[in-house]
Amino acid sequence: GIQVEQSPPDLILQEGANSTLRCNFSDSVNNLQWFHQNPWGQLINLFYIPSGTKQNGRLSATTVATERYSLLYISSSQTTDSGVYFCAPVGTYKYIFGTGTRLKVLA
Amino acid sequence: DGGITQSPKYLFRKEGQNVTLSCEQNLNHDAMYWYRQDPGQGLRLIYYSQIVNDFQKGDIAEGYSVSREKKESFPLTVTSAQKNPTAFYLCAIGDSNEQFFGPGTRLTVL
Repeated sequence: GIQVEQSPPDLILQEGANSTLRCNFSDSVNNLQWFHQNPWGQLINLFYIPSGTKQNGRLSATTVATERYSLLYISSSQTTDSGVYFCAPVGTYKYIFGTGTRLKVLA
Repeated sequence: DGGITQSPKYLFRKEGQNVTLSCEQNLNHDAMYWYRQDPGQGLRLIYYSQIVNDFQKGDIAEGYSVSREKKESFPLTVTSAQKNPTAFYLCAIGDSNEQFFGPGTRLTVL
């Protein structure tokens, strides 16, 4: 099956800093989503991005499907950005989750 | 109010007991999913259902059972055959384009 690798596994930032999270996947996929899991466990949809670039406020994402990776950019980080970020490439009705990047933003 | 609801938020059970986790949705989605998350890990698919009265095993279905008698409801039973049931359980709706998650149930088996 599809293997997903996310990096870095852990990240500590000072408030206001920028960061790039990476997701590599081992096979062609139909779609890819980025999620943020807040400290209470709720998973929040960030982007549905099979290819190309999307932006939503301080967040943007780029997927290069032909090279099998996706990037999530966080600019001007805030303490509320803390949590775990997951990418989930999609096979046939199956989302394959990586182990995530654990982000802590310090005030 | 509505969307995807899971109950209860926290659940404690004694070893050897079956327990059923609730997942309800009022967003009229055909497909529903159950995932398990262990500490420091990603989500793993337990079961999914694309339509009423039909469901398929995911990657870690052993020790779990589901039913899909109504479009709105997809309950998950954690049976005594599940060797390590303590985990965070998440229900989702959606399709191959986008999934949306409920708030989850934290199950602790004592």
